[in-house]
Amino acid sequence: AQSVAQPEDQVNVAEGNPLTVKCTYSVSGNPYLFWYVQYPNRGLQFLLKYITGDNLVKGSYGFEAEFNKSQTSFHLKKPSALVSDSALYFCAVRALGQNFVFGPGTRLSVLP
Amino acid sequence: EAGVVQSPRYKIIEKKQPVAFWCNPISGHNTLYWYRQNLGQGPELLIRYENEEAVDDSQLPKDRFSAERLKGVDSTLKIQPAELGDSAVYLCASSLAGSGTGELFFGEGSRLTVL
Repeated sequence: AQSVAQPEDQVNVAEGNPLTVKCTYSVSGNPYLFWYVQYPNRGLQFLLKYITGDNLVKGSYGFEAEFNKSQTSFHLKKPSALVSDSALYFCAVRALGQNFVFGPGTRLSVLP
Repeated sequence: EAGVVQSPRYKIIEKKQPVAFWCNPISGHNTLYWYRQNLGQGPELLIRYENEEAVDDSQLPKDRFSAERLKGVDSTLKIQPAELGDSAVYLCASSLAGSGTGELFFGEGSRLTVL
């Protein structure tokens, strides 16, 4: 069975500081990993994905994520946070032929 | 190119009433999903269509929920009768068929409040 954990319900960071939103996963076989962002009263927007290849993937709005197979993690990062990055972030995993499984979400607050 | 379109955005009904949500996926996307998202939680799959075939409806509460995707394009999700616990955001998503490496594209969601 697939599962995703986002160990932090809330992450607070000052504007201009680096941010990290954590994600760990469990899946049989090779994982396909995704990050989505959700702003209030909006649907989920795709940020980036890891399918294969380079462990560091870059996505929209300056976000990047690092795949770590040994730690079964896929943490989302950004070198310098903006107040406009404040939102709900979801990690998702999918194995070939399986459905997407989403984590519970992490609320990011970037303080001015 | 238009994204995934859902309607209505908001719906307030009394318990035991019926409600229906409509979704128009991105043109050319064969795969369509309905998710339910409870407040402060991640989306949970209700049903997945490949073209007009429901290939996974194992999480759909079939006693009161139904869905259809006529002609493999638009889809409708219905609840009858609605219960208080059905209050949630119902999200529609679509993706290209294939190896499964493609990301999902979500609509804005339909927020249901059952009183």
